Amino acid sequence: QVQLQESGPGLVEPSQSLSLTCTVSGGSISSGGYYWTWIRQQPGKGLEWIGYIYYRGSTHYNPSLKSRVTISRDTSKYQFSLTLTSVTAADTAVYYCAIGYPNWFDPWGQGILVTVSS
Amino acid sequence: DIQMTQSPSSVSASVGDRVTITCRASQGISSFLAWYQQRPGRAPKLLISAASSLQSGVPSRFSGSGSGTEFTLTISSLQPEDFATYYCQQANSFPYTFGPGTKLEIK
Repeated sequence: QVQLQESGPGLVEPSQSLSLTCTVSGGSISSGGYYWTWIRQQPGKGLEWIGYIYYRGSTHYNPSLKSRVTISRDTSKYQFSLTLTSVTAADTAVYYCAIGYPNWFDPWGQGILVTVSS
Repeated sequence: DIQMTQSPSSVSASVGDRVTITCRASQGISSFLAWYQQRPGRAPKLLISAASSLQSGVPSRFSGSGSGTEFTLTISSLQPEDFATYYCQQANSFPYTFGPGTKLEIK
């Protein structure tokens, strides 16, 4: 059974970049036809799909974030990553990684709270 | 973007009750709809995909129906562990979007 775990800094200063990593156990991110996905949940708000990286390496992003988002992968480390540039307080959220099929998501990581503040 | 709405935004019910949550899409999405359950402090969990396909391990008291723009999630007999927030998600077109959630509370 594939499991995912997010990691990264919990505090990022405004205008800086947010970088998170999702470590996959129980499976390879370079096989299986999966879409390795990032989703976020702003405090007290709903869920927002950020984007994915396909197991073959192609990516697709939410247009609302596209100019600031990069999703990449390191197959040797069984990891994929999220970078979000020029962050503001509005980017404060719990960030989840998940497997997409490609358009439903299961399972999810436990999530990581990232606060944007000076 | 396709906008998703849910009703009610919150509902109070008792163990054993039958509860129905409605999700509407701003345009037709065929059967490309998923339902998730989120307990406090936990990640969402996929319950139903393709509007009515129950995920493995999800109790049969959960069911989904609908197509086009209107969908429902029904819990036939509430159990204590079902008190959570439920989200629908359209999977028809990019960007994938979620409903605002329905909080199911104990009466």
